[in-house]
Amino acid sequence: GENVEQHPSTLSVQEGDSAVIKCTYSDSASNYFPWYKQELGKRPQLIIDIRSNVGEKKDQRIAVTLNKTAKHFSLHITETQPEDSAVYFCAASMPNSGYALNFGKGTSLLVTP
Amino acid sequence: NAGVTQTPKFQVLKTGQSMTLQCAQDMNHNSMYWYRQDPGMGLRLIYYSASEGTTDKGEVPNGYNVSRLNKREFSLRLESAAPSQTSVYFCASSEWGGDTEAFFGQGTRLTVV
Repeated sequence: GENVEQHPSTLSVQEGDSAVIKCTYSDSASNYFPWYKQELGKRPQLIIDIRSNVGEKKDQRIAVTLNKTAKHFSLHITETQPEDSAVYFCAASMPNSGYALNFGKGTSLLVTP
Repeated sequence: NAGVTQTPKFQVLKTGQSMTLQCAQDMNHNSMYWYRQDPGMGLRLIYYSASEGTTDKGEVPNGYNVSRLNKREFSLRLESAAPSQTSVYFCASSEWGGDTEAFFGQGTRLTVV
């Protein structure tokens, strides 16, 4: 089946540093790429998304970039804070599966004070 | 608005028992999905319903059945539970799939002994 690869699986940064998480996808028909944050024991919640007609999107400390030619997209968090500690998932839409989301395996981000 | 509501939140089953996980959304969304989440595996699609009256298999459908009861409700049934089905189950909905945000329920933590 189609794959979404996510790296790294764990990431530890000092408060105030930047964090970058990268994903690649294989379905060339994918056109929607959201990022979800999941805190321990909670549901995944959308933090930012990007569509295939856009190369970059920013929302305060969070930005996402998309390279459709290379089939990869990245999440950038600047000025990290301890409350950014969570598991982050990238996803790509699957047009042949009702546009359900195909998720990466997640990145556990730890921000230490 | 409650968003996406799942019941129950926790369940313990014995091998071979059956149960139905309930999911309802009050956002008038067309598309609904069932995912399972296992440690280190991300979220994997079990079944989806692109619109009322349709259901289709996802990545890991074996051992499960679904019913799209109406536009609001999408249930997941385990006919004969197995220990391999121990997982956290999330229901999600989106307006129509494509490039619209998927909203998740709070999850059901299922243990099969």
